[in-house]
Amino acid sequence: EIVLTQSPGTLSLSPGERATLSCRASQSIGSSYLAWYQQKPGQAPRLLIYGASSGATGVPDRFSGSGSGTDFTLTISRLEPEDFAVYFCQQYGSSVTFGPGTKVDLK
Amino acid sequence: QVQLVQSGAEVKKPGASVKVSCKASGYTFSNYVIHWVRQAPGQRFEWLGWINTVNGNTKYSQSFQGRVTITRDTSASTTYMELSSLRSEDTAVYYCARSYRAVALVMVYWGQGTLVTVSS
Repeated sequence: EIVLTQSPGTLSLSPGERATLSCRASQSIGSSYLAWYQQKPGQAPRLLIYGASSGATGVPDRFSGSGSGTDFTLTISRLEPEDFAVYFCQQYGSSVTFGPGTKVDLK
Repeated sequence: QVQLVQSGAEVKKPGASVKVSCKASGYTFSNYVIHWVRQAPGQRFEWLGWINTVNGNTKYSQSFQGRVTITRDTSASTTYMELSSLRSEDTAVYYCARSYRAVALVMVYWGQGTLVTVSS
C-alpha cells in the first residue's frame, strides 16, 4: 500500500501570504495520480486538484498543484480568509489512499 | 444540482452489521462511479471501495475485503454500503462520493456523512 505523508502538520499564516504544502508518497505514483482536497469543520471535502496539477471545475486559480513521482506540492498563491482549512492529498495510482492532512490556520 | 443524501446515524454492537444508503440526484446515475470512504475521529480518510453503477461491478480495499459489500439499485439511484463483523475501531463517519468526470478514482461530490458508532 502506498503511504502518504504530509508536511507541515500545521501551517500558521496570514491572509495574503503564500502557502506551500507538501505530500510525499512511500513509492512512485504512476502518471501523477494525485489529488488535493480542502476540508472545513463539519463539511465534506472539496476537490481542488487532480492529476497532480489540473484544477477541478470552479476552483480559483490561486490554487495550483505540482510534482511527480513521490513528491507533490499544493500552493495557494495568496491566502483568502476562506482558505483556512485542512488540506489532504489522495493517491489513486495503486488502489486509493489518503494523506493525514495539513491544517492551515490563522497566524 | 448534484446531491448525495445518506441515511442517518447508526449505533451498533460489536459483531453486528451496518448498512448505509446513499441516494443520488441531479445527474444521470449510471454515468459515474460511487465510492465509499470513512474517517474515524482524528484519523485520515480510508477508502472502502467503489461500484460501477452501470454493471454493478465492485472493487474493494484489501483492508476491508470480505467485510464490506457495496451494491446499487439503479431504479432508485441509490447505492448501499454494508460492513459486517463490526468492531469498535469501525466507529467513524462514512461517506459516499461520486467520481469526477472520466477520472473514476477522484471524488468530487460527497454525501453529508453517516456516523456509525460501534459500542457494547
